[in-house]
Amino acid sequence: EVQLVESGGGLVQPGGSLRLSCAASGFTFSTYWMHWVRQAPGKGLVWVSRIKSDGSNTDYAGSVKGRFTISRDNAKNTLFLQMNSLRVEDTAVYFCARARSIAPAVPDYWGQGTLVTVSS
Amino acid sequence: DIQMTQSPSSLSASVGDRVTITCRASQSISTYLNWYQQKPGKAPNLLIYAASSLQSGVSSRFSGSGSGTDFTLTISSLQPEDFATYYCLQSYSTPPLTFGGGTKVEIK
Repeated sequence: EVQLVESGGGLVQPGGSLRLSCAASGFTFSTYWMHWVRQAPGKGLVWVSRIKSDGSNTDYAGSVKGRFTISRDNAKNTLFLQMNSLRVEDTAVYFCARARSIAPAVPDYWGQGTLVTVSS
Repeated sequence: DIQMTQSPSSLSASVGDRVTITCRASQSISTYLNWYQQKPGKAPNLLIYAASSLQSGVSSRFSGSGSGTDFTLTISSLQPEDFATYYCLQSYSTPPLTFGGGTKVEIK
Protein backbone atom coordinates (compact mmCIF):
# COMPACT_ATOMS: atom_id res chain seq x y z
CA GLU A 1 0.00 0.00 0.00
CA VAL A 2 1.33 3.40 -0.98
CA GLN A 3 1.82 5.65 2.05
CA LEU A 4 3.03 9.22 2.24
CA VAL A 5 3.40 10.89 5.62
CA GLU A 6 4.29 14.57 5.88
CA SER A 7 5.85 16.21 8.91
CA GLY A 8 7.63 19.39 9.93
CA GLY A 9 4.79 21.88 9.76
CA GLY A 10 4.12 24.41 12.47
CA LEU A 11 3.96 28.08 13.37
CA VAL A 12 6.74 30.32 12.11
CA GLN A 13 7.22 34.07 11.98
CA PRO A 14 7.40 35.95 8.67
CA GLY A 15 10.92 35.73 7.30
CA GLY A 16 11.55 32.43 9.07
CA SER A 17 12.31 28.96 7.74
CA LEU A 18 10.84 25.48 7.96
CA ARG A 19 11.81 22.12 6.49
CA LEU A 20 9.03 19.74 5.57
CA SER A 21 9.58 16.02 5.20
CA CYS A 22 7.53 13.33 3.48
CA ALA A 23 8.23 9.70 4.36
CA ALA A 24 7.28 7.32 1.57
CA SER A 25 6.55 3.58 1.72
CA GLY A 26 4.80 0.88 -0.26
CA PHE A 27 6.44 1.66 -3.59
CA THR A 28 9.90 2.04 -5.14
CA PHE A 29 10.43 5.68 -4.17
CA SER A 30 13.58 6.13 -6.24
CA THR A 31 11.73 5.55 -9.52
CA TYR A 32 8.99 8.18 -9.16
CA TRP A 33 8.79 11.94 -9.63
CA MET A 34 7.41 13.63 -6.52
CA HIS A 35 5.43 16.84 -5.98
CA TRP A 36 4.51 19.34 -3.30
CA VAL A 37 1.07 20.96 -3.52
CA ARG A 38 -0.40 23.42 -1.02
CA GLN A 39 -3.84 24.57 0.00
CA ALA A 40 -4.48 27.76 1.93
CA PRO A 41 -7.31 27.57 4.48
CA GLY A 42 -10.63 27.41 2.64
CA LYS A 43 -8.97 27.80 -0.75
CA GLY A 44 -8.09 25.61 -3.73
CA LEU A 45 -5.10 23.49 -4.62
CA VAL A 46 -1.90 25.16 -5.80
CA TRP A 47 1.11 23.32 -7.18
CA VAL A 48 4.41 24.25 -5.51
CA SER A 49 7.26 22.11 -6.79
CA ARG A 50 8.34 18.77 -8.28
CA ILE A 51 11.50 16.71 -8.45
CA LYS A 52 12.64 13.98 -10.80
CA SER A 53 13.13 10.46 -9.53
CA ASP A 54 16.92 10.80 -9.29
CA GLY A 55 16.84 14.38 -8.06
CA SER A 56 18.48 15.72 -11.22
CA ASN A 57 15.60 17.98 -12.26
CA THR A 58 13.49 20.32 -10.16
CA ASP A 59 10.73 22.83 -10.96
CA TYR A 60 9.00 25.51 -8.89
CA ALA A 61 5.96 27.73 -8.97
CA GLY A 62 6.86 31.34 -9.57
CA SER A 63 5.57 32.37 -6.16
CA VAL A 64 8.14 30.22 -4.32
CA LYS A 65 11.08 30.19 -6.73
CA GLY A 66 14.24 31.33 -5.02
CA ARG A 67 12.75 30.79 -1.54
CA PHE A 68 11.83 27.08 -1.51
CA THR A 69 14.07 24.11 -2.34
CA ILE A 70 12.82 20.61 -3.06
CA SER A 71 15.13 17.66 -2.52
CA ARG A 72 15.02 13.94 -1.84
CA ASP A 73 16.98 11.17 -0.17
CA ASN A 74 16.29 8.00 -2.11
CA ALA A 75 18.25 5.89 0.36
CA LYS A 76 15.82 6.97 3.10
CA ASN A 77 12.68 7.16 0.92
CA THR A 78 12.13 10.74 1.98
CA LEU A 79 11.13 13.92 0.16
CA PHE A 80 11.91 17.38 1.55
CA LEU A 81 10.82 20.96 1.08
CA GLN A 82 13.09 23.62 2.55
CA MET A 83 11.11 26.84 2.92
CA ASN A 84 12.99 30.09 3.57
CA SER A 85 11.91 33.73 3.75
CA LEU A 86 8.40 32.62 4.61
CA ARG A 87 5.52 35.01 4.04
CA VAL A 88 2.05 35.20 5.54
CA GLU A 89 0.66 34.08 2.17
CA ASP A 90 2.62 30.81 2.44
CA THR A 91 0.21 29.71 5.18
CA ALA A 92 -1.35 26.47 3.95
CA VAL A 93 -1.59 22.73 4.29
CA TYR A 94 1.30 21.25 2.32
CA PHE A 95 0.73 17.90 0.63
CA CYS A 96 3.38 15.67 -0.85
CA ALA A 97 2.26 13.53 -3.76
CA ARG A 98 3.67 10.81 -5.95
CA ALA A 99 3.44 11.23 -9.72
CA ARG A 100 2.00 8.58 -12.01
CA SER A 101 4.78 6.34 -13.32
CA ILE A 102 4.21 7.24 -16.98
CA ALA A 103 3.04 10.80 -16.40
CA PRO A 104 5.43 12.79 -14.20
CA ALA A 105 3.08 15.76 -14.21
CA VAL A 106 0.11 13.92 -12.71
CA PRO A 107 0.07 13.32 -8.95
CA ASP A 108 -1.75 10.11 -8.08
CA TYR A 109 -1.19 9.24 -4.42
CA TRP A 110 -1.18 12.03 -1.81
CA GLY A 111 -0.25 12.32 1.85
CA GLN A 112 -2.63 13.81 4.42
CA GLY A 113 -0.73 17.08 4.59
CA THR A 114 1.05 19.18 7.19
CA LEU A 115 -0.08 22.65 8.21
CA VAL A 116 2.30 25.58 7.94
CA THR A 117 1.21 28.81 9.62
CA VAL A 118 3.20 31.97 9.00
CA SER A 119 2.22 34.63 11.48
CA SER A 120 3.73 37.11 13.91
CA ASP B 1 0.82 29.84 -17.82
CA ILE B 2 -2.32 27.93 -18.74
CA GLN B 3 -5.38 29.04 -16.77
CA MET B 4 -8.08 26.53 -15.84
CA THR B 5 -11.64 27.70 -15.22
CA GLN B 6 -14.19 25.42 -13.59
CA SER B 7 -17.93 25.86 -13.54
CA PRO B 8 -20.06 25.98 -11.60
CA SER B 9 -18.15 26.88 -8.44
CA SER B 10 -20.80 25.04 -6.43
CA LEU B 11 -23.92 23.02 -7.02
CA SER B 12 -26.62 21.25 -5.05
CA ALA B 13 -28.11 18.02 -6.32
CA SER B 14 -30.16 15.08 -5.11
CA VAL B 15 -29.06 11.48 -4.65
CA GLY B 16 -29.47 9.72 -7.98
CA ASP B 17 -29.05 12.87 -10.09
CA ARG B 18 -26.69 13.05 -13.01
CA VAL B 19 -24.11 15.78 -12.30
CA THR B 20 -21.81 17.48 -14.78
CA ILE B 21 -18.86 19.73 -13.95
CA THR B 22 -16.96 21.59 -16.64
CA CYS B 23 -13.37 22.75 -16.92
CA ARG B 24 -12.09 25.10 -19.59
CA ALA B 25 -8.43 25.69 -20.44
CA SER B 26 -7.09 29.04 -21.63
CA GLN B 27 -5.42 27.25 -24.57
CA SER B 28 -5.55 23.79 -26.08
CA ILE B 29 -4.21 21.07 -23.79
CA SER B 30 -5.12 18.05 -25.96
CA THR B 31 -6.32 15.46 -23.42
CA TYR B 32 -3.84 16.33 -20.66
CA LEU B 33 -6.62 16.90 -18.16
CA ASN B 34 -7.10 15.19 -14.82
CA TRP B 35 -9.85 15.24 -12.19
CA TYR B 36 -9.57 14.98 -8.42
CA GLN B 37 -12.08 14.61 -5.60
CA GLN B 38 -11.32 16.14 -2.21
CA LYS B 39 -13.41 15.61 0.90
CA PRO B 40 -13.15 18.03 3.85
CA GLY B 41 -9.95 17.61 5.80
CA LYS B 42 -8.66 14.91 3.45
CA ALA B 43 -6.13 14.62 0.69
CA PRO B 44 -7.24 14.84 -2.95
CA ASN B 45 -8.03 11.57 -4.71
CA LEU B 46 -7.30 11.06 -8.41
CA LEU B 47 -10.48 10.08 -10.27
CA ILE B 48 -9.77 10.55 -13.97
CA TYR B 49 -6.51 11.01 -15.88
CA ALA B 50 -5.88 11.84 -19.53
CA ALA B 51 -9.37 13.33 -19.78
CA SER B 52 -11.29 10.04 -19.82
CA SER B 53 -9.29 7.23 -18.18
CA LEU B 54 -10.69 5.97 -14.89
CA GLN B 55 -8.12 5.63 -12.12
CA SER B 56 -7.90 2.15 -10.64
CA GLY B 57 -10.34 1.60 -7.80
CA VAL B 58 -12.59 4.55 -8.69
CA SER B 59 -16.32 3.94 -9.13
CA SER B 60 -17.53 3.65 -12.72
CA ARG B 61 -20.23 6.23 -12.02
CA PHE B 62 -17.44 8.78 -12.60
CA SER B 63 -16.52 9.54 -16.19
CA GLY B 64 -14.61 12.22 -18.04
CA SER B 65 -14.67 13.56 -21.56
CA GLY B 66 -13.33 16.35 -23.72
CA SER B 67 -10.26 17.49 -25.57
CA GLY B 68 -8.65 20.74 -26.59
CA THR B 69 -10.02 23.39 -24.23
CA ASP B 70 -13.33 22.00 -22.94
CA PHE B 71 -13.72 19.09 -20.55
CA THR B 72 -16.42 17.56 -18.40
CA LEU B 73 -16.59 15.33 -15.36
CA THR B 74 -19.86 13.44 -15.03
CA ILE B 75 -21.23 11.60 -12.03
CA SER B 76 -23.90 9.33 -13.49
CA SER B 77 -25.92 8.77 -10.31
CA LEU B 78 -24.92 10.95 -7.37
CA GLN B 79 -24.36 9.11 -4.09
CA PRO B 80 -24.16 10.60 -0.56
CA GLU B 81 -20.42 9.84 -0.41
CA ASP B 82 -19.88 12.05 -3.46
CA PHE B 83 -20.29 15.18 -1.36
CA ALA B 84 -16.90 16.78 -2.00
CA THR B 85 -15.02 19.39 -3.94
CA TYR B 86 -13.78 18.47 -7.41
CA TYR B 87 -10.71 19.94 -9.10
CA CYS B 88 -9.36 19.71 -12.61
CA LEU B 89 -5.61 19.79 -13.30
CA GLN B 90 -3.85 20.43 -16.60
CA SER B 91 -0.65 18.49 -17.20
CA TYR B 92 0.02 19.61 -20.79
CA SER B 93 2.31 22.57 -20.29
CA THR B 94 4.42 22.30 -17.18
CA PRO B 95 5.75 23.85 -15.13
CA PRO B 96 3.60 25.06 -13.63
CA LEU B 97 0.88 22.48 -13.16
CA THR B 98 -2.36 24.42 -12.84
CA PHE B 99 -5.56 23.47 -11.06
CA GLY B 100 -9.05 24.77 -11.63
CA GLY B 101 -10.68 26.70 -8.81
CA GLY B 102 -12.82 23.79 -7.69
CA THR B 103 -16.49 22.81 -7.74
CA LYS B 104 -18.20 22.08 -4.45
CA VAL B 105 -20.93 19.46 -4.73
CA GLU B 106 -23.56 19.52 -2.02
CA ILE B 107 -26.25 16.94 -1.52
CA LYS B 108 -29.82 18.26 -1.37
